[in-house]
Amino acid sequence: DAMVIQNPRYQVTQFGKPVTLSCSQTLNHNVMYWYQQKSSQAPKLLFHYYDKDFNNEADTPDNFQSRRPNTSFCFLDIRSPGLGDAAMYLCATSPFTSTGVGQDTQYFGPGTRLTVL
Amino acid sequence: QKEVEQNSGPLSVPEGAIASLNCTYSDRGSQSFFWYRQYSGKSPELIMFIYSNGDKEDGRFTAQLNKASQYVSLLIRDSQPSDSATYLCAVMLRSGAGSYQLTFGKGTKLSVIP
Repeated sequence: DAMVIQNPRYQVTQFGKPVTLSCSQTLNHNVMYWYQQKSSQAPKLLFHYYDKDFNNEADTPDNFQSRRPNTSFCFLDIRSPGLGDAAMYLCATSPFTSTGVGQDTQYFGPGTRLTVL
Repeated sequence: QKEVEQNSGPLSVPEGAIASLNCTYSDRGSQSFFWYRQYSGKSPELIMFIYSNGDKEDGRFTAQLNKASQYVSLLIRDSQPSDSATYLCAVMLRSGAGSYQLTFGKGTKLSVIP
């Protein structure tokens, strides 16, 4: 089945120790997104790629970086995790191959829960 | 600032009843509207999207959109305990290829009582 996959599902890191989260998709969607969601809060967009074009949200901290080496994969790098970065990190994709109905619908992966000790 | 407002709940309904979830948004240019269901500790799961004013039905779910009043709602008929989750309203403002923003509400927690 076509899907969005995130690894690992649970990640524990130490304060200040770099961590990389990965996302892959078999949907062949053009756009990939990274969201951060803290408990009882709305998902917050960190950045997205429209194909290879990178779009950073204005309030995304510099501590967060992203890479999209090809259509299928996208990575989230947290250079120096702080206690405030503990959250669920969600990867999503959307088609955007045309302007038709449903093209901007976002499909989420299962998420990676990050714990910072 | 673009905002999406939802009542946080919890909204409690008895099994078999209709659950009504509401959402308002601030940006009149918003073009696409989505409802996601999120179980505790899980990722959001798309229920349905709606683009045009009026009703859109999918099984037990009906989405309603009123752009003039800037609200979108989700009705769940014959509510089941398995519907107990947080429901996220999301609104898309699209301004060209590669330039768009999906804004989520904080979600309404629904509890269906057996």
